[in-house]
Formats: sequence, C-alpha cells, structure tokens
Amino acid sequence: DSGVTQTPKHLITATGQRVTLRCSPRSGDLSVYWYQQSLDQGLQFLIQYYNGEERAKGNILERFSAQQFPDLHSELNLSSLELGDSALYFCASSVGGSGVPTYNEQFFGPGTRLTVL
Amino acid sequence: TQLLEQSPQFLSIQEGENLTVYCNSSSVFSSLQWYRQEPGEGPVLLVTVVTGGEVKKLKRLTFQFGDARKDSSLHITAAQPGDTGLYLCAGESLKGRLAFGKGNQVVVIP
Repeated sequence: DSGVTQTPKHLITATGQRVTLRCSPRSGDLSVYWYQQSLDQGLQFLIQYYNGEERAKGNILERFSAQQFPDLHSELNLSSLELGDSALYFCASSVGGSGVPTYNEQFFGPGTRLTVL
Repeated sequence: TQLLEQSPQFLSIQEGENLTVYCNSSSVFSSLQWYRQEPGEGPVLLVTVVTGGEVKKLKRLTFQFGDARKDSSLHITAAQPGDTGLYLCAGESLKGRLAFGKGNQVVVIP
C-alpha cells in the first residue's frame, strides 16, 4: 500500500460526458501528479500540483483540468469524453517536486480505469 | 519521440535464468528511478540511482546508472515468477521533472 488513494476504481461512461477522478496523496506529500496510461502510449504525464499551485503541465488536453485543494487532495476533471480517453489514470504523490531536482521519488495510487463507450 | 527508450519491450524467460533490460536516453538526468508495475495496479518504486556509475542491489535485482547519467540497466539473477511485471524507468531532469519510458514487460515462466 503506497498510501495514495484514488477513487473510483472503475468508471464507465458515455461519449460527451464529464467525470471527476479523485486522489488523496500520502500524508506529508505536497506534490500530486496525474498520469494517463494506455497500451500504445505508455505512462504519460498530464499535470502536477505542488502545495495547491499548478507546477508543471505535460500532455494534458484542453478538455481536461485539475486542481489541488487546501487539504492537498486533488481532482482531475475530464469533459466531452471521447472513446480515445479510455485508459488507466494514475495519481502519484511526492514530498518534493518544487521545480528543482529532489530525487523526486513518486508513490502511485492504484489508478482509476476509465471506459468511455 | 520518447525521451527514454527501454529495450527489449518484451522478454520471456524460464525460471532460474538471468536477464538484463535497458533504459537509454540522449538526455542527462539528475536521478533515475526504476518502478515495477503489475496488471491493474500502480507502479511501485524499486530504486533510485543518483551518481554516475552507481550500482544498487535489491536482493536478486542489480541496478546500474551509466557513467554519463544518461542510461541505466536492470539485471535480474535467477529470475522467479514473482519477478513478472512491467519494469518502468523514469529519469528526473535538471528541472526536477520526471519522464517515464514505455517499460520492459518481463514474463518469467515457472
């Protein structure tokens, strides 16, 4: 158990819909990262928050957004869903990640499997 | 293009055999991490290497960081079925960003 929790475990929805994925980081971790994993693309970095502020953006679509709340939990919002958005979505947390190398060891949650029909 | 290239993508071996997988890049990393991921679960951190040329051992797993801090290898001695999984390498850039390779899928047959 990494200490990172994600809900829900599975999500099935239809094209055009909007969903929210939730993540609670390990106690004491300030950074939260969101990743998308599909068979052909591997683990793709979407976005990072550090202590409530957006720190880095990766390959995140404009239809997707995220935020980190004062209690450090984070939510990833996916809207206007398409079939190609079906994937595993992982949240990870780390102590650092402030923008300088910190041997940034990340701890991953169990993931949310999103299926768009 | 992928920042980190892992090879081979897929490897199947018999229990008791040795194997080595590789993680290569043209970029220099401040650190490099190896994770193992099992189906339907999140990646689990195995090791972090920081110094060029560094070798770390975790039971039957040996991790080496290249002298130039651009590449790494993972060697498994006397592989066991429990070693089956997707091995992911991740390099931390000088700006503190982590980039993952696509992974080495290892299957150990009993």
